[in-house]
Amino acid sequence: DAGVTQSPTHLIKTRGQHVTLRCSPISGHKSVSWYQQVLGQGPQFIFQYYEKEERGRGNFPDRFSARQFPNYSSELNVNALLLGDSALYLCASSMIGGVGAEAFFGQGTRLTVV
Amino acid sequence: AQSVSQHNHHVILSEAASLELGCNYSYGGTVNLFWYVQYPGQHLQLLLKYFSGDPLVKGIKGFEAEFIKSKFSFNLRKPSVQWSDTAEYFCAVIPNTNAGKSTFGDGTTLTVKP
Repeated sequence: DAGVTQSPTHLIKTRGQHVTLRCSPISGHKSVSWYQQVLGQGPQFIFQYYEKEERGRGNFPDRFSARQFPNYSSELNVNALLLGDSALYLCASSMIGGVGAEAFFGQGTRLTVV
Repeated sequence: AQSVSQHNHHVILSEAASLELGCNYSYGGTVNLFWYVQYPGQHLQLLLKYFSGDPLVKGIKGFEAEFIKSKFSFNLRKPSVQWSDTAEYFCAVIPNTNAGKSTFGDGTTLTVKP
């Protein structure tokens, strides 16, 4: 069975540019969450989407946005990239949006901003 | 705002030694608690979770954790570690009031020497 897939796996961007990261959840999963993991730290919650609606938002600036499509895949967009945005971006999917749902993580997208 | 502290950043043990990794959280209300593990080169995966009921929770691969509400703690234990337990371990909290907004600790790297 395919797990959570994220694309691309790595990318390098220049300060001020825009980036779009993509996530395909496990088949049947309707909730997707996004996390930022800076080296040496735990994942930080960015967004959760369930049934195409935003269910939760972490403490990130408005430069970060996301959406979920009818097929439950999701995009994370970051505008006006800063050096500090360099991190591993993780996507997790779960069957439902509630607390009880186990989250399955993808391998992540490594973003480097130069 | 909630926070999670994992006081041990790096733990080194010999095979067959007992393991206890500390996790303390800060939040005034009801929480749901998780331990995730990331083996080298793999994605984050759930070890165990606590929502309610018996405060002693058993997970995969012989791991268990005990929720002590009075101490705001959810320590992870294993009676006898194996070389294959070498990994990074993350504690996470989700308040009952906000299903989407999870908070992770910064992780503990466990190295088990054969």
